[in-house]
Amino acid sequence: LAKTTQPISMDSYEGQEVNITCSHNNIATNDYITWYQQFPSQGPRFIIQGYKTKVTNEVASLFIPADRKSSTLSLPRVSLSDTAVYYCLVGDMASGTYKYIFGTGTRLKVLA
Amino acid sequence: NAGVTQTPKFQVLKTGQSMTLQCAQDMNHEYMSWYRQDPGMGLRLIHYSVGAGITDQGEVPNGYNVSRSTTEDFPLRLLSAAPSQTSVYFCASSYRTGGGNTQYFGPGTRLTVL
Repeated sequence: LAKTTQPISMDSYEGQEVNITCSHNNIATNDYITWYQQFPSQGPRFIIQGYKTKVTNEVASLFIPADRKSSTLSLPRVSLSDTAVYYCLVGDMASGTYKYIFGTGTRLKVLA
Repeated sequence: NAGVTQTPKFQVLKTGQSMTLQCAQDMNHEYMSWYRQDPGMGLRLIHYSVGAGITDQGEVPNGYNVSRSTTEDFPLRLLSAAPSQTSVYFCASSYRTGGGNTQYFGPGTRLTVL
């Protein structure tokens, strides 16, 4: 089962860099790693996606080691508005058809 | 594009009632899925579809039915509502699966079963 494992929660202070690591030991060879952000009462929102090495966009960076069994989402200089739940997602082919199963996610709380 | 739309936004049912949650997307996406999210918990996959006429069960399918007669629509039917089905339901879609495809989520339907 291509489930993901993340820390349940993290606290940080405004202005700090936050790194959230996700373990995905059974990731498929051709699969990408996608990270989502979810605020209360809203659907998950795409943050960043990558296949290997490093990807950067205007809100985050994603680091993926060569074995691709884990990935790290990096949020530079967080603010109070970054308080949310963060999910990493990879595909699951355990039953023979491709589907997306979420892990527990990481609840990030940014403190003033 | 309207993206992924869900109706209704809120619904209250009595135990034993049935209803259909609607989901539609206008992006010509092949893959669609339904998740439920209980208070303070993560998203759990109910059913998914890889194309019109093809559906399959996710992690928690009991008590729910789906069909996919068109590419655009993927309704979720609650057969006989139970209090344990009180949750927020999210529909999602992506162009394909795998590769670099990204899921887009609807705003959710908040369901309360009394």
